[in-house]
Amino acid sequence: DGGITQSPKYLFRKEGQNVTLSCEQNLNHDAMYWYRQDPGQGLRLIYYSQIVNDFQKGDIAEGYSVSREKKESFPLTVTSAQKNPTAFYLCASSPRLDRYEQYFGPGTRLTVT
Amino acid sequence: GQQVMQIPQYQHVQEGEDFTTYCNSSTTLSNIQWYKQRPGGHPVFLIQLVKSGEVKKQKRLTFQFGEAKKNSSLHITATQTTDVGTYFCAGLKTGGFKTIFGAGTRLFVKA
Repeated sequence: DGGITQSPKYLFRKEGQNVTLSCEQNLNHDAMYWYRQDPGQGLRLIYYSQIVNDFQKGDIAEGYSVSREKKESFPLTVTSAQKNPTAFYLCASSPRLDRYEQYFGPGTRLTVT
Repeated sequence: GQQVMQIPQYQHVQEGEDFTTYCNSSTTLSNIQWYKQRPGGHPVFLIQLVKSGEVKKQKRLTFQFGEAKKNSSLHITATQTTDVGTYFCAGLKTGGFKTIFGAGTRLFVKA
């Protein structure tokens, strides 16, 4: 069954802790993305990667970090430097960086208290 | 930077009424995509438009791409309760490589 998986679905953390969100795809897509969505808001791009071992900052990269060591995996770390980390995080992938539709994972709801 | 503006932000309709959301870009787009996100869910790709003036239909949904490739619209005829959710447009700037999402239009349908 092909697709994108994100885990966990819900995540709770204390302020000051780093937390890593998982994103895995078996679609053989080159490009992967991380978005943040706040209640009632649109999608804001955090980081994107068009190939293994390469990634670029999006519009709101401060306080986040990523890695792309394998084609199928693109984990996102929310660091303690992120001032308002509570949000819905969506991972997506597409065959290439441009011109193709994006396939989204189910998302992770992160709550930091 | 490039922005993709989407209006309205919210729309409440009675079941059976029509609904339209509009997407506008300050720059020419090479394509426009539309996604739907159900409440509590994740965005799901609906369609992509590439050609100037292109019109595509999916059952009760009609998608248009403007002649100047700077605007687009999604029209739903005779809304149903299953249409509820947020509709996002996403545009790729001509010559660019990063798709920009609009803020979305949230549709509420009253039975």
